[in-house]
Amino acid sequence: EAGVVQSPRYKIIEKKQPVAFWCNPISGHNTLYWYLQNLGQGPELLIRYENEEAVDDSQLPKDRFSAERLKGVDSTLKIQPAELGDSAVYLCASSLGPPGSGNTIYFGEGSWLTVV
Amino acid sequence: GQNIDQPTEMTATEGAIVQINCTYQTSGFNGLFWYQQHAGEAPTFLSYNVLDGLEEKGRFSSFLSRSKGYSYLLLKELQMKDSASYLCAVNSNYQLIWGAGTKLIIKP
Repeated sequence: EAGVVQSPRYKIIEKKQPVAFWCNPISGHNTLYWYLQNLGQGPELLIRYENEEAVDDSQLPKDRFSAERLKGVDSTLKIQPAELGDSAVYLCASSLGPPGSGNTIYFGEGSWLTVV
Repeated sequence: GQNIDQPTEMTATEGAIVQINCTYQTSGFNGLFWYQQHAGEAPTFLSYNVLDGLEEKGRFSSFLSRSKGYSYLLLKELQMKDSASYLCAVNSNYQLIWGAGTKLIIKP
């Protein structure tokens, strides 16, 4: 069974440019997460979807970040415009259901963003 | 506030045993996860504890004490491939709170 698939794997952009990341979760997983991870830190939640509904986006910087999950499957995360401080790994993850039910979260390999 | 503490870095010898501790202070508790993350890779699931006690899975075991807000991950018969970061995450009111991770260095 395929895992969580993300693309691109690596991206280098100049500041003020836009960037988009794509995620395909594990088949049948209703819950999808976008995390940000800096070196030596744990993942920080940006947004969580239950099917196509964003149920937790309190940590998403909405002035420059946006996300969507059309049809409750694939998702995209966009940054426009990018800033130097956005350089990080963007992890997509999915689970069968919400975290409260002890559902295991499976991560993609991440999209490494460098803003220069 | 919500807080999870883990040691930043630990060093152990190949073939030995190491215990990685995690203490937490959260507003709610619905379970605790341990994940392994090799450098440049995604975190992968190791264990999940929701009740007090020890859960054993091969060379890895995880322990939980809810009254003490404490968990540990025990790695036995260490191998070089166990060099990685180990992340503790608490499920608090249906949100996952992540620790910063413990970088484990294995020496021959």
